[in-house]
Amino acid sequence: DAKTTQPPSMDCAEGRAANLPCNHSTISGNEYVYWYRQIHSQGPQYIIHGLKNNETNEMASLIITEDRKSSTLILPHATLRDTAVYYCIVRVPGTASKLTFGTGTRLQVTL
Amino acid sequence: NAGVMQNPRHLVRRRGQEARLRCSPVKGHSHVYWYRQLPEEGLKFMVYLQKENIIDESGMPKERFSAEFPKEGPSILRIQQVVRGDSAAYFCASSLSGTGDSGNTIYFGEGSWLTVV
Repeated sequence: DAKTTQPPSMDCAEGRAANLPCNHSTISGNEYVYWYRQIHSQGPQYIIHGLKNNETNEMASLIITEDRKSSTLILPHATLRDTAVYYCIVRVPGTASKLTFGTGTRLQVTL
Repeated sequence: NAGVMQNPRHLVRRRGQEARLRCSPVKGHSHVYWYRQLPEEGLKFMVYLQKENIIDESGMPKERFSAEFPKEGPSILRIQQVVRGDSAAYFCASSLSGTGDSGNTIYFGEGSWLTVV
């Protein structure tokens, strides 16, 4: 699986959009981009994933650049409950394909 | 977390005892993963199982740790002769399949916290 690079920490004001970047310059054509988050003392929570096109669900939007070498997770209206560590992971969804977690971005949402 | 059930949520064991952690995957999922998170550290992959088969155990310590996912019943992570360094959160995850699915999302449980005293 390709390696990803994320900033170690970010702050965001409550109610504003949180934009979390991720670089995955060595991603291969069949690897998907997955985002998970881990709120303190809880299990990782799936947020969203995508291959080429931008994706949106009830939690977030995922913007993937045309060359697929980077992506941005957008939380449109961050709340205090979005404070967590966010992980960007690239993975081939196939046989024996596990998730490999890096260090992620610690997002702190403040009043 | 989409129905992955882990128990016990908290377990205290004395050094030298055995710890058994159970994981019931999302209904219909046949692939199970175990991860460990030491205090203040990241999530580390341990083992990936499909029903009755170990697919990838590259993250499992060579001794004292074992995992199974029988045809019937939950997946079990077993730690024999626990030591203080085994104190950690153990997370189980499951997916519908492991082969060629275009998404194949992995869902996690809430974890089992093992404390060795």
